[in-house]
Amino acid sequence: EAGVAQSPRYKIIEKRQSVAFWCNPISGHATLYWYQQILGQGPKLLIQFQNNGVVDDSQLPKDRFSAERLKGVDSTLKIQPAKLEDSAVYLCASSLDPTRFGATQYFGPGTRLTVL
Amino acid sequence: AQSVAQPEDQVNVAEGNPLTVKCTYSVSGNPYLFWYVQYPNRGLQFLLKYITGDNLVKGSYGFEAEFNKSQTSFHLKKPSALVSDSALYFCAVRLTSGTYKYIFGTGTRLKVLA
Repeated sequence: EAGVAQSPRYKIIEKRQSVAFWCNPISGHATLYWYQQILGQGPKLLIQFQNNGVVDDSQLPKDRFSAERLKGVDSTLKIQPAKLEDSAVYLCASSLDPTRFGATQYFGPGTRLTVL
Repeated sequence: AQSVAQPEDQVNVAEGNPLTVKCTYSVSGNPYLFWYVQYPNRGLQFLLKYITGDNLVKGSYGFEAEFNKSQTSFHLKKPSALVSDSALYFCAVRLTSGTYKYIFGTGTRLKVLA
C-alpha cells in the first residue's frame, strides 16, 4: 500500500513570497490533515478535511494560509505572503473516517520550509 | 484546555537496558491514545495505539505501552533498548467526539547509548 505522498520535500523562499505544498493521501482515506511542526515542538493541526469539506481550521492563520482539497483526494496548502516564523516542517496525514473505530492517522515525509 | 504532556525532553538509556518514555493527558471523555516515532528528516511513523481492552498494548519494533486510566497516563516501554531506537517520540490523543482531532505532545528525544 502506497503511503502519503508530499512534495516538494524542501523549499527555501524569501519573506513575503508565496509557496504551495501538495499532498496525496493514502487511497481510500477520507480524512486529510495538515500540520505545522516547528523545530522542537509537536505537530500543530492547521486544517482537517473530511472528503472535500473542512472539519476544523481553527488554528489556520487565514490571513496568509489557505488550503483546498478539490474532489476529496489530493490537497494543496498555500502560504501568501510568507513570514520568517513560518519556517517549519509541514506534515500531511490521512486516515479513514475517524468516526470509525480505531482509525489510525498516517503521515507523509513532510516539507521543510525555510523562510529567509 | 485539553493537552498532552511529555515531561521529559530527553531520555538517555544504555543499550540493552529497559526504556520508558512518559506521557500523561488531560482530555475529556475516553480518547484513543497513540505513540509515533520520528527519525531525522522523516515524517511521523505509527508505533501503537490503545482503543479499549487490555491495558498493555504491543506495537512495532518491540515497543509496548501501558494505559493507566486513573493516572491518565500512557507510557511507552521497551524491555531492551537498541541504538537504532534513538529518535524523537510523540504521544498523541485522538478525541472521540466533535472533530475527532488529534492532540500531540511536545515530544521526547530518546538517546540509546552503546
